Amino acid sequence: GDSVTQMEGPVTLSEEAFLTINCTYTATGYPSLFWYVQYPGEGLQLLLKATKADDKGSNKGFEATYRKETTSFHLEKGSVQVSDSAVYFCALSSGGTSYDKVIFGPGTSLSVIP
Amino acid sequence: DAGITQSPRHKVTETGTPVTLRCHQTENHRYMYWYRQDPGHGLRLIHYSYGVKDTDKGEVSDGYSVSRSKTEDFLLTLESATSSQTSVYFCALQPHSGNTIYFGEGSWLTVV
Repeated sequence: GDSVTQMEGPVTLSEEAFLTINCTYTATGYPSLFWYVQYPGEGLQLLLKATKADDKGSNKGFEATYRKETTSFHLEKGSVQVSDSAVYFCALSSGGTSYDKVIFGPGTSLSVIP
Repeated sequence: DAGITQSPRHKVTETGTPVTLRCHQTENHRYMYWYRQDPGHGLRLIHYSYGVKDTDKGEVSDGYSVSRSKTEDFLLTLESATSSQTSVYFCALQPHSGNTIYFGEGSWLTVV
């Protein structure tokens, strides 16, 4: 079945460091891919998404490119800030609007220190 | 802002008591979901709904029931709360088109 694998962390970086959080997936067909972010004490928020191969999603300085050949959707940011400390979830949806097509990864905890 | 409100946001209850969590939306979206989030388990789906009076079980539905009598409200009930149901519960919804899921802010439930 469909699945999402991501590094679980925790990841600790100094402010202004480069961030990469790896995400790979297994899916039949052509899924849409998402990154969600969860700040302490809050719900998950959509960070960015890509709906087809080679699409790049971007938001708040974060980017991720849908790589079909490597089945990956790695999250990157060139210079992290303390305010980026959160848990990041990779997810896929295999299409349509039914729940059972939406799969979340386990989440990666990021801590950014001044 | 997807217009999702969860209540209560925090609750402490005793083992064996019934508990109902409410999810209210203002956007008239068809699909609604209840998840629980626990350390080491990530997000797990409890129940979901495709419309009024149209619900189905997720992967961890034992001990939970749901009801959706109106489009805007999706209720999650713990019939007899147990300590294993101590968790953070998230409601989510999905617009008619597209497949992005939007989450509420969560309800922290402690069963003592």
